[in-house]
Amino acid sequence: EAEVAQSPRYKITEKSQAVAFWCDPISGHATLYWYRQILGQGPELLVQFQDESVVDDSQLPKDRFSAERLKGVDSTLKIQPAELGDSAMYLCASSLWGRPETQYFGPGTRLLVL
Amino acid sequence: KQEVTQIPAALSVPEGENLVLNCSFTDSAIYNLQWFRQDPGKGLTSLLLIQSSQREQTSGRLNASLDKSSGRSTLYIAASQPGDSATYLCAQKGTGTALIFGKGTTLSVSS
Repeated sequence: EAEVAQSPRYKITEKSQAVAFWCDPISGHATLYWYRQILGQGPELLVQFQDESVVDDSQLPKDRFSAERLKGVDSTLKIQPAELGDSAMYLCASSLWGRPETQYFGPGTRLLVL
Repeated sequence: KQEVTQIPAALSVPEGENLVLNCSFTDSAIYNLQWFRQDPGKGLTSLLLIQSSQREQTSGRLNASLDKSSGRSTLYIAASQPGDSATYLCAQKGTGTALIFGKGTTLSVSS
């Protein structure tokens, strides 16, 4: 069964360093989502792509976060510089175009900022 | 602002019990509501999706209901098993494309 792939699974970094997370969605899924899940909270959408275009980044802290999906397939989420409050699980999900109610989630990247 | 609230935050039950998890939402223009399962340190797995025109959905021992007028959804788990131990999240989809999640209910089923 096709799955959303994410790497790394775990990342420990120091404050002020740069970190990057990678996501490979299910083949054929035009829509890709990055969520942030703070411990004990539900996931919150950071950015949504339709193919290579950003369609919603209203909750993305743009002073330090950036996201790209250059060829409309895999995607990278970057944080620079990382802050203590960025410690969280970063989840990637994908869906077919026009089917946002059916999102498939990857295993996530757990980030710890020291 | 759209909000989703889940009660209780945590629940412990002995194996075999039937249980109900609650979810309330503020957006009356709800498009659909989903229940997800999340195992510790893992991603989310969709359990049930209820469209706004539906009242309930069933999958095996799970039954989810939706009452738009009261802004509530419930997830009923019959004959709970230790393998059901996980965090259960509900999420609503309103007029936008983003899913709005609750904080989840962490369920522990003891054998």
